Parts: sequence; structure tokens; C-alpha cells
Amino acid sequence: DAGVIQSPRHEVTEMGQEVTLRCKPISGHDYLFWYRQTMMRGLELLIYFNNNVPIDDSGMPEDRFSAKMPNASFSTLKIQPSEPRDSAVYFCASSHPLAVGYNEQFFGPGTRLTVL
Amino acid sequence: RKEVEQDPGPFNVPEGATVAFNCTYSNSASQSFFWYRQDCRKEPKLLMSVYSSGNEDGRFTAQLNRASQYISLLIRDSKLSDSATYLCVVNTPMEYGNKLVFGAGTILRVKS
Repeated sequence: DAGVIQSPRHEVTEMGQEVTLRCKPISGHDYLFWYRQTMMRGLELLIYFNNNVPIDDSGMPEDRFSAKMPNASFSTLKIQPSEPRDSAVYFCASSHPLAVGYNEQFFGPGTRLTVL
Repeated sequence: RKEVEQDPGPFNVPEGATVAFNCTYSNSASQSFFWYRQDCRKEPKLLMSVYSSGNEDGRFTAQLNRASQYISLLIRDSKLSDSATYLCVVNTPMEYGNKLVFGAGTILRVKS
């Protein structure tokens, strides 16, 4: 298995631009998670999906952030408009279909976002 | 108070040393616990789960103290390749189910 795939790996954009991050989970994993990691705040859960349905989006910072999972093999995280404080590494992770939290989460390599 | 707290370190140790990391969590309803490892500029990866009875995996030993809400990781005979950030992770019950809460991590540097 190729593992969790994320694209792009690096993104540099200017303030105000729209940014779209993409994720392909491991086949057969029903849970998908989006995290953000910064030096100041560590690893934070933004949102997670179960069977393509958003379950908990309480970690999404504000309305500028949105996430979708149109099918079992693809998810996007969109920031519009982007701001310099959004600069971070964004990880996508997936896990096997048992109760979330009890299973190993497999992380993608992350997207390093820089907003100038 | 943070849900999961760790000493950020860094812990600088020589090869062959034994080093221990501690972690405390605030939610007494938490049910499962993990240590993840994150190498520089890489993604986190599961190192080991932590069971109530304690568990060992080679040079790594994890302990859980539910009464004190405390988790530990012991690394024996440290190797240069153990240098990484170690994340304490706790399953926290939420309104819609459970979620993993990650500590900020403890940095370990093993030197020759």
C-alpha cells in the first residue's frame, strides 16, 4: 500500500489567495483526519470524517477553512482567503474502521504551507 | 490546563544511556494511550500503545498510572537513531465520539 498521499508537499502563496490541500487515505480506512502542526500550538485536529461524513469540525479555526470528502478515496482542505498565520504543516491521517481513538492513525507526509 | 502535557526537553543523552519521558493528561475518562515518534520534518508514526499493565517492545517500555493520570516512556541503551520528538497521545471522549489529543512532544537528542 502506498500509504496516505498528500499533495502538494510544499505550497507558497500570497496572503489572500485560495489554497487547496489534497489527501488520499489508505484504501479501506473509513476515518480521515486533518491536522495542523505549528511550533507554537503543536499538532491540532482540525476536522475528521467517518465514511465521508464530517463528524467533528470543532477544530476548524474559522470560516476561512473548509473541508470536503466527496468519496472514500479523496479529501480536500481549503483555505480562502489565506493569511500569514495559516503557515504551518498540514497533515492528513487515516485509520481503520473501528472506534476512532483506539486505532493507529497513519499520517501522510504533510503539506508545508507558507503564506507570505 | 492543557489536555496533554509533556516536558518539551530537549533531552541530550549519550549513546547507551537510559532516558525516561513523562506525560500527564487531564481527562480522567480517557481510555487509551499511545506514544508516537516524529522525526524532523516528517510525519508522526505510532511507536507503541500503552496498556494498563505496562508493556515493553525491545528497548522501549511504556507505563500507565491511571490514578495519577500519568504516562511514561523509558528508552534503554539509546541509539543515535532514537533522536526524534516523542509525542504522548491520549484518546479523549468527545460529544461525537473519541479523538486523539497529541501532546506538544519531547525532543530527544542522542549523541555519540
